[in-house]
Amino acid sequence: DVKVTQSSRYLVKRTGEKVFLECVQDMDHENMFWYRQDPGLGLRLIYFSYDVKMKEKGDIPEGYSVSREKKERFSLILESASTNQTSMYLCASTPLTGYNTGELFFGEGSRLTVL
Amino acid sequence: KNQVEQSPQSLIILEGKNCTLQCNYTVSPFSNLRWYKQDTGRGPVSLTIMTFSENTKSNGRYTATLDADTKQSSLHITASQLSDSASYICVVIINAGKSTFGDGTTLTVKP
Repeated sequence: DVKVTQSSRYLVKRTGEKVFLECVQDMDHENMFWYRQDPGLGLRLIYFSYDVKMKEKGDIPEGYSVSREKKERFSLILESASTNQTSMYLCASTPLTGYNTGELFFGEGSRLTVL
Repeated sequence: KNQVEQSPQSLIILEGKNCTLQCNYTVSPFSNLRWYKQDTGRGPVSLTIMTFSENTKSNGRYTATLDADTKQSSLHITASQLSDSASYICVVIINAGKSTFGDGTTLTVKP
C-alpha cells in the first residue's frame, strides 16, 4: 500500500515562529502536493512539486515556501507563522503514469495551531 | 465560483438507510473523477475512480455514477453503517498535476 507519512499530527506554535512540516512518500511518486483544509473552504493547494528541486505555486502560496531535495520528501515551511495559518495541512502524492495517474494519496494531516 | 459543487452540505440518516450525495462540475475536459472519504481528523481516502467514458462504478456498498452530458456525478451509499459517518469529497482530476475539489458533504449516520 502507498504510504504518505506526515511528521507531526498536531503542532502548537507561537506567532513569528518558523514551522517545518515534513512529508515522506514510499511509492516513488513524481508529484507531491501541500494543501490546507479549512471549514467551508475545502482543500486549497499551497504548492506542488513534479520533480526534485522543482516547485510550482498553487492557489494560496503566500506565507509559505517548500523544499524538495529528495524525490520521496516534500517539506512545507512557514517562515514566520501567523494566526491565520492555523489549519489542517495535508500532504499528497500521485504518480505520473499508470491506472492511478492523478489519484491523490494523502497523509493523515498535520493540525497546526498558531497562538 | 467553485467549479465543483456538492450537495447537500450535510446529511443525517439512520443506520441501515441509503443515501445519495451529489456533485455538479463545470471543469472540462478532465481525466477522471474521484470520490474521497475523509474521516474526522484524518486524510482523505479514495473510494472510486471514474473516467469520463464510464457511467457507474461500485466499491462494496458505494456506487458512483457519472453523467458527462449533464456534468453530474453521484455517490450512493447502501445500507449505511455508523462507520460511514465522514466527509465525502468529489474531486475532478484534470491531469496528474491539477485537481479541483468540492467542499464536501458531511454525512452523519445515527443508530
